[in-house]
Amino acid sequence: QPVLTQSSSASASLGSSVKLTCTLSSGHAYYFIAWHQQQPGKAPRHLMKLESSGTYNKGSGVPDRFSGSSSGADRYLTITNLQSEDEADYYCETWDSNSHLIFGGGTRLTVL
Amino acid sequence: EVLLVESGGGLIQPGGSLRLSCVVSGSNVNSNYMSWVRQAPGKGLEWVSTLYTGGNTYHADSVKGRFTISRDNSKNTLYLQMDSLRVEDTAVYYCARALDYWGQGTLVTVSS
Repeated sequence: QPVLTQSSSASASLGSSVKLTCTLSSGHAYYFIAWHQQQPGKAPRHLMKLESSGTYNKGSGVPDRFSGSSSGADRYLTITNLQSEDEADYYCETWDSNSHLIFGGGTRLTVL
Repeated sequence: EVLLVESGGGLIQPGGSLRLSCVVSGSNVNSNYMSWVRQAPGKGLEWVSTLYTGGNTYHADSVKGRFTISRDNSKNTLYLQMDSLRVEDTAVYYCARALDYWGQGTLVTVSS
């Protein structure tokens, strides 16, 4: 079954860009994932679905500053022109062959 | 606009039962797969259960045999029946439509 690995933390300056990574375990490089954002004290919010090809479909109302890309087993979330409200936890998610949902451990993004 | 509103959380003793509800508006509860996801205090997201449009249900190993996901199409509502509750079930419980829309969550505290 796939395992999703994320760095526990990341930081970047206001107005700059950051690229978060979610890595699929060996043998699962073809899986699609989804990215979700959770601002402090709030419910998660769906950002996008991201395929192994790099094609992504963003959720309703997600700003253009958010984009996705893929390379091998890595799935990326890039945020440009960082804003203070982008400070949040970011989770990747996928499904296994038993229809069980799997989450990565999450990356806490700090905007400096 | 799709809106999900959970209710039914609260303080319960170990071994007790609770039923969570998630009222769906702007979408039909049976037109997409629906899931429950929980988040223990200070922890990441953990998948709990999923109900597919055809009626198939799946539960995480940690809750299998104790939790049951269901829906009432006439009330456009998703449910999570939680029995034999344990201290480790303490979490905010979110319902989600195909993980592209999330509710605001309801807190379940299991404690004596």
